[in-house]
Amino acid sequence: NAGVTQTPKFQVLKTGQSMTLQCAQDMNHEYMSWYRQDPGMGLRLIHYSVGAGITDQGEVPNGYNVSRSTTEDFPLRLLSAAPSQTSVYFCASGGTGPYNEQFFGPGTRLTVL
Amino acid sequence: GQQVMQIPQYQHVQEGEDFTTYCNSSTTLSNIQWYKQRPGGHPVFLIQLVKSGEVKKQKRLTFQFGEAKKNSSLHITATQTTDVGTYFCAGITGGGNKLTFGTGTQLKVEL
Repeated sequence: NAGVTQTPKFQVLKTGQSMTLQCAQDMNHEYMSWYRQDPGMGLRLIHYSVGAGITDQGEVPNGYNVSRSTTEDFPLRLLSAAPSQTSVYFCASGGTGPYNEQFFGPGTRLTVL
Repeated sequence: GQQVMQIPQYQHVQEGEDFTTYCNSSTTLSNIQWYKQRPGGHPVFLIQLVKSGEVKKQKRLTFQFGEAKKNSSLHITATQTTDVGTYFCAGITGGGNKLTFGTGTQLKVEL
């Protein structure tokens, strides 16, 4: 089992560009989520999903879109990148919900110039 | 804003000293989870506490969940260099499906 995989590992964007961060898991988990990590801020929830076809907003959803067409994949789209979105992005999955152990991917380090 | 705070933000200890990080929520938590993130790595699950006043131990690590379910602590006895990293608490506030992480405590251990 690969667990949770994320691509790319590093990305540099210019302000206004769009891109999709990929996340996939092979553990058949219903619950998946996206977090961003900034120094001193911990991990902040962007969006989450409790199953295919169901997504909801987290703490900091503005500027990001998600979709969940399959159980395995949960991509995060940046619509028009801004320097404030420079961060490390982690995808996580965990069983049927947040009461389960969450497994994190290796992260994507994004820089927006 | 951030509902789950951790103190201290940083802790620098000598190997063999004890270490404690505290997690405080403004609202009652349904559960508390603890994660460890090594430098350059991703968070890794350590443990979950669910019951009021619950205490769990993992070797040199002791986890407590407060009676009011608004705070938690992680205590490491006799730290080792392998304990280096950032420790996060996380909990579900107000029911629902959102897992809110604390601000984290970065631990550095010197020989």
